[in-house]
Amino acid sequence: DGGITQSPKYLFRKEGQNVTLSCEQNLNHDAMYWYRQDPGQGLRLIYYSQIVNDFQKGDIAEGYSVSREKKESFPLTVTSAQKNPTAFYLCASKSDSTYEQYFGPGTRLTVT
Amino acid sequence: GQNIDQPTEMTATEGAIVQINCTYQTSGFNGLFWYQQHAGEAPTFLSYNVLDGLEEKGRFSSFLSRSKGYSYLLLKELQMKDSASYLCAVRDTDYKLSFGAGTTVTVRA
Repeated sequence: DGGITQSPKYLFRKEGQNVTLSCEQNLNHDAMYWYRQDPGQGLRLIYYSQIVNDFQKGDIAEGYSVSREKKESFPLTVTSAQKNPTAFYLCASKSDSTYEQYFGPGTRLTVT
Repeated sequence: GQNIDQPTEMTATEGAIVQINCTYQTSGFNGLFWYQQHAGEAPTFLSYNVLDGLEEKGRFSSFLSRSKGYSYLLLKELQMKDSASYLCAVRDTDYKLSFGAGTTVTVRA
């Protein structure tokens, strides 16, 4: 089945550690996105990529980094510079021929 | 930037109708989306409006007025499974989405 996978579903880290969240899609979509969701707030865009080997900062990119070496994969690294990393992280992808974004199941990151 | 407002919570009875309003102020507009999100799960696409008017899709309908910066999502014949958060999102001219905080709908028997 085609879709977007994110792993793991739950992730726990100690403060000061970098952590990488995976996002893989087999939908052959060109565009991929990372969002962060906090209680009582809307999804906020962290980074997005329209094509392989290219990506742009979203509204809250500070403390995060990404890479887009393959069309199928768009990993997000949460660095120790991110002040409040505990959140629900959602990856999405989009085809050029449709207008909606498709979301993965999300990774809930807890940093203590 | 984008400013998107929607009510925080709404409660309705099974079988009833609920209307979720969304108002927006944007620096650029290229369509409005509604997504449904059950707790702890991924948002799923419900509707897309880019022109003024009503789009109907089964029990769900969405309306857009670009001149008023206003949209609503209408849920008819409510079912218990419709209890979820409903997210309004505006796409700008760079094709990026900005989301409202979401409206939590609780359906009671």
